[in-house]
Amino acid sequence: SSELTQDPALSVALGQTVRITCQGDSLRGYYASWYQQKSGQAPVLVIYGKNDRPSGIPDRFSGSRSGNTASLTITGAKAEDEADYYCNSRDSSGNHLIFGGGTKLTVL
Amino acid sequence: QVQLQESGPGLVKPSETLSLTCTVSGDSTSAYYWSWIRQPPGKGLQWIGYIHSSGTTNYNPSLQSRVTLSLDTSKNDFSLRLTSVTPADTAVYFCARGPVTYHSTLPSTLFDYWGQGTLVTVSS
Repeated sequence: SSELTQDPALSVALGQTVRITCQGDSLRGYYASWYQQKSGQAPVLVIYGKNDRPSGIPDRFSGSRSGNTASLTITGAKAEDEADYYCNSRDSSGNHLIFGGGTKLTVL
Repeated sequence: QVQLQESGPGLVKPSETLSLTCTVSGDSTSAYYWSWIRQPPGKGLQWIGYIHSSGTTNYNPSLQSRVTLSLDTSKNDFSLRLTSVTPADTAVYFCARGPVTYHSTLPSTLFDYWGQGTLVTVSS
């Protein structure tokens, strides 16, 4: 498959931990990158590689991978983490770039 | 600080050509790959294609027949042309630096800098 599959929506209580997953065959050979997109704004890179964060991204964001599934974990969710989250990788051929359908995260 | 800024018409008629330019500051378009990514209203992200100053291009197979990317290192910008547009092409169009390939245990590709996006509406 050349797709990346994400849960459309998740919710987390303030201060709790949430895991957002991304599933796809290409993830057996690539780490996903993860983007946070708040309403009306451009996406922001939050995780890439095995578990790397760009400068300025809080350490409550972490990444992991198992088999064909990549995960973005937010430990101690804050109200400001409410956003859409997208995973990204190459397709199974390795030739093209694809995004997951996105997960809308609500912080309760 | 790397900054990208999209520019171009916000309204395009059906069957016509959509043209956008992304101006880069704080970096040189001679380095890296540069991409266009779009987002229809209320929907997810779709990678359109990328270009490198070497002339290398790569397009989303679903759009390949209608897309052309170009890059002008003298102006430090790159451009998107999408022909024969329909209302389904209505979207916010983002330009971004990348894909950047990051090598660790496995490779990953990423887009590390994005423009703010510009809404293009296809309507008569």
